[in-house]
Amino acid sequence: DGGITQSPKYLFRKEGQNVTLSCEQNLNHDAMYWYRQDPGQGLRLIYYSQIVNDFQKGDIAEGYSVSREKKESFPLTVTSAQKNPTAFYLCASTDLDRGDFYGYTFGSGTRLTVV
Amino acid sequence: GEDVEQSLFLSVREGDSSVINCTYTDSSSTYLYWYKQEPGAGLQLLTYIFSNMDMKQDQRLTVLLNKKDKHLSLRIADTQTGDSAIYFCALGGGFKTIFGAGTRLFVKA
Repeated sequence: DGGITQSPKYLFRKEGQNVTLSCEQNLNHDAMYWYRQDPGQGLRLIYYSQIVNDFQKGDIAEGYSVSREKKESFPLTVTSAQKNPTAFYLCASTDLDRGDFYGYTFGSGTRLTVV
Repeated sequence: GEDVEQSLFLSVREGDSSVINCTYTDSSSTYLYWYKQEPGAGLQLLTYIFSNMDMKQDQRLTVLLNKKDKHLSLRIADTQTGDSAIYFCALGGGFKTIFGAGTRLFVKA
C-alpha cells in the first residue's frame, strides 16, 4: 500500500546535538512538507518542497534544515540552533496533479525529546 | 493573516451526535478540510468541502459551511468510542494550508 513512512517514531536529542528525521513516500507525490505540532496548537509549517532539488522555508524554519535529493525522500535535520525542539514532527505530501485539491497525506510522526 | 479557531474540547455520550465547530477569517480558500488525529499518530483526511457548497454528507459525517458567518462545522452522527480523537479544521491547500488548534473529542461510554 502507498503511504508515508517516518522514522524513528521516538527520538531523544542531547543538548548541542543535530538529529535527522526520516520521511519516505511511495505515493509518487511531487510535494512534501514538514510540520511541527505542539500541544494545544495548530500545525506549523517548517519547510516544504514542490520539486526535487528545491525547497522553501515555512513559517518556523529557523534551526531546521532539509534536503530533497530524491522525489521519495525529504529528511529534516533539527540543528543545535533550534532552542526548543521538543515536539511532534509530521511529514506530509500532496499530489499536485490533482488540480486545486491539495489535501494532505500524513506520516505517523516522530516525537522528538531533548534530554 | 488567516486565523482559524476551534474550541479545544468536546465531550459527548456514545450514540449521541457530535458537532465540532470552526471559524475563520479569510474566505478566499477553495477547499476546507477536516482531519482526524488519533493518539500518537499522524493526521488523516476525513472529508473536505468546496467553498461553493453549503453542505456535504459522507456516511456518518456531515459538513456544513456558512460562508456569510465564516463558520464550518463537522457533525458526527451516532458517535462511537472509536471517534475519540483530535479533529482539525484546515483551510487553503498545499503550503498555504492553515490549521486550527484542534478539538479533542471525548466519547463517554
